Amino acid sequence: DTEVTQTPKHLVMGMTNKKSLKCEQHMGHRAMYWYKQKAKKPPELMFVYSYEKLSINESVPSRFSPECPNSSLLNLHLHALQPEDSALYLCASSPGLYGGPDTQYFGPGTRLTVL
Amino acid sequence: DAKTTQPTSMDCAEGRAANLPCNHSTISGNEYVYWYRQIHSQGPQYIIHGLKNNETNEMASLIITEDRKSSTLILPHATLRDTAVYYCIVRDAGNYQLIWGAGTKLIIKP
Repeated sequence: DTEVTQTPKHLVMGMTNKKSLKCEQHMGHRAMYWYKQKAKKPPELMFVYSYEKLSINESVPSRFSPECPNSSLLNLHLHALQPEDSALYLCASSPGLYGGPDTQYFGPGTRLTVL
Repeated sequence: DAKTTQPTSMDCAEGRAANLPCNHSTISGNEYVYWYRQIHSQGPQYIIHGLKNNETNEMASLIITEDRKSSTLILPHATLRDTAVYYCIVRDAGNYQLIWGAGTKLIIKP
């Protein structure tokens, strides 16, 4: 099973709202990722968690706050977003095999619209 | 910056083999070639990866040239459901990051 689940599928929020995106995997993977994808563009890496510790933050604004409560769960907390943050937010996971092929598997994404 | 170049778009007839090329002339010895595809508004789907040797799985075959500067993804019997954007990606074995190019929009025609 190579399934990564994400909830919700769609989210509409105002600029003053606080919301969270959730990602879950049960493959025993130890690396988890958040990506942002704008229309007709490839995914852009936002954050990487390795063994539940934040290892990469690609200069993402502080209105995006990741959290990794345990090795199976990854959250992205959203606060005071801007309309330009509207995008498809993708979660991925990989075994965490540093130095090996370490294939990433993606979830279906959350389509976020900021009004 | 992307380390791969791919055609912007390609067509293929249903039932025929789809051959998608990718150039990665600056690839280094410890970098893997990955292929993913993304059907409209869905998450990217892993297809196959390779380092030096040709690879085959239930979805596709990956042919890597001997100098590793280019590769070809082969979908042996394309169906309408294979219509998607196909990304060729180079990834350093010591790095979590996937370096995405712009991808090839593959359209399978009946």
